[in-house]
Amino acid sequence: DAKTTQPTSMDCAEGRAANLPCNHSTISGNEYVYWYRQIHSQGPQYIIHGLKNNETNEMASLIITEDRKSSTLILPHATLRDTAVYYCIVSFDSWGKLQFGAGTQVVVTP
Amino acid sequence: DGGITQSPKYLFRKEGQNVTLSCEQNLNHDAMYWYRQDPGQGLRLIYYSQIVNDFQKGDIAEGYSVSREKKESFPLTVTSAQKNPTAFYLCASQWGQGLNTEAFFGQGTRLTVV
Repeated sequence: DAKTTQPTSMDCAEGRAANLPCNHSTISGNEYVYWYRQIHSQGPQYIIHGLKNNETNEMASLIITEDRKSSTLILPHATLRDTAVYYCIVSFDSWGKLQFGAGTQVVVTP
Repeated sequence: DGGITQSPKYLFRKEGQNVTLSCEQNLNHDAMYWYRQDPGQGLRLIYYSQIVNDFQKGDIAEGYSVSREKKESFPLTVTSAQKNPTAFYLCASQWGQGLNTEAFFGQGTRLTVV
């Protein structure tokens, strides 16, 4: 599976958009990009995933570059409850075994 | 409500004892997974199962065992052979085979060896 690179941490002001970058330069054509988040001491929560096209759901938007070597997760209006570790994962495995890195610790401040 | 349930939430074990962590799902998912998480780190895959009566080792299977006798249940046994079992254990399930599906996680079991 392709590896991902994410910043270790980032801060965001409440009510502002949070843009979380992820590099996956070795991604192959049939690998999906997944985003999960983990609030302290809880199980990870699925946010969104995509292959080539940009995706949007009620939680976030996912922007994937045309060459697919990087992506950005956008939380449009960050709230204090969005404080969590965010994981960017690419997966080729047909059963979706997920390889978690260290993720990005996002802190939303008032 | 449909979901995935892990129990207990906290578990204490004496050194040298085996202990079993429960994971149950009522989502009718085919695939189930066990992950381990150490402080400040990401999740690492212990075992996974794609179908009843079949399971595969993940990246860190040594010292652990699993069974999949029912579709709904995927218990994990931490044996005395696991050298450093204190960790946060997470169970997940997923709908069948396919990259286009998300995994659902339980709330975890925090195991402490005393």
